[in-house]
Amino acid sequence: SQQGEEDPQALSIQEGENATMNCSYKTSINNLQWYRQNSGRGLVHLILIRSNEREKHSGRLRVTLDTSKKSSSLLITASRAADTASYFCATDPTGANSKLTFGKGITLSVRP
Amino acid sequence: DTAVSQTPKYLVTQMGNDKSIKCEQNLGHDTMYWYKQDSKKFLKIMFSYNNKELIINETVPNRFSPKSPDKAHLNLHINSLELGDSAVYFCASSQRTPPEAFFGQGTRLTVV
Repeated sequence: SQQGEEDPQALSIQEGENATMNCSYKTSINNLQWYRQNSGRGLVHLILIRSNEREKHSGRLRVTLDTSKKSSSLLITASRAADTASYFCATDPTGANSKLTFGKGITLSVRP
Repeated sequence: DTAVSQTPKYLVTQMGNDKSIKCEQNLGHDTMYWYKQDSKKFLKIMFSYNNKELIINETVPNRFSPKSPDKAHLNLHINSLELGDSAVYFCASSQRTPPEAFFGQGTRLTVV
């Protein structure tokens, strides 16, 4: 069954603006991860946040996790045209070894 | 060096045929996965292997048979291909700690 669900499904912004994407999930997790997929390519890992963490930064990326609401957000600051891609959240559920489960993804378009 | 490589990149075949997709990782990871991504970009886990042992089989038809000759390889054999099998198939690998997954470039399977 699908674990993560991202919203919005599609997001279009101007270069330089910030992009915020949300993910909700259903079960307890060990960690939550965000991935990027460029058109026609495989997924690339961006950032991981553990269940005991609330916020994490990596370059222009900021991830938050609220385990009480079972939700996470990914913020990309000062977006660039090269950030245009699909973004997926993935959950690593507790008690389910080796079952990294992905949401449906968000399509981000950054207009130059 | 490519971390996770899968072949072929494109596969066009007729209904009823049998085909295989190969995957190799040179990262020394213990866990390997097969995912199926449909036309709506939904990424669904199919199988997970840990040290050559099957960990997860997500209600995949018996026509799909994974084989792991060693922990660096996880191949996917598909019998009696159907139109609905058309999708992009991704191989991935990870360690348990850290659990970030590394993906191959994908195999676009088209059944005609």
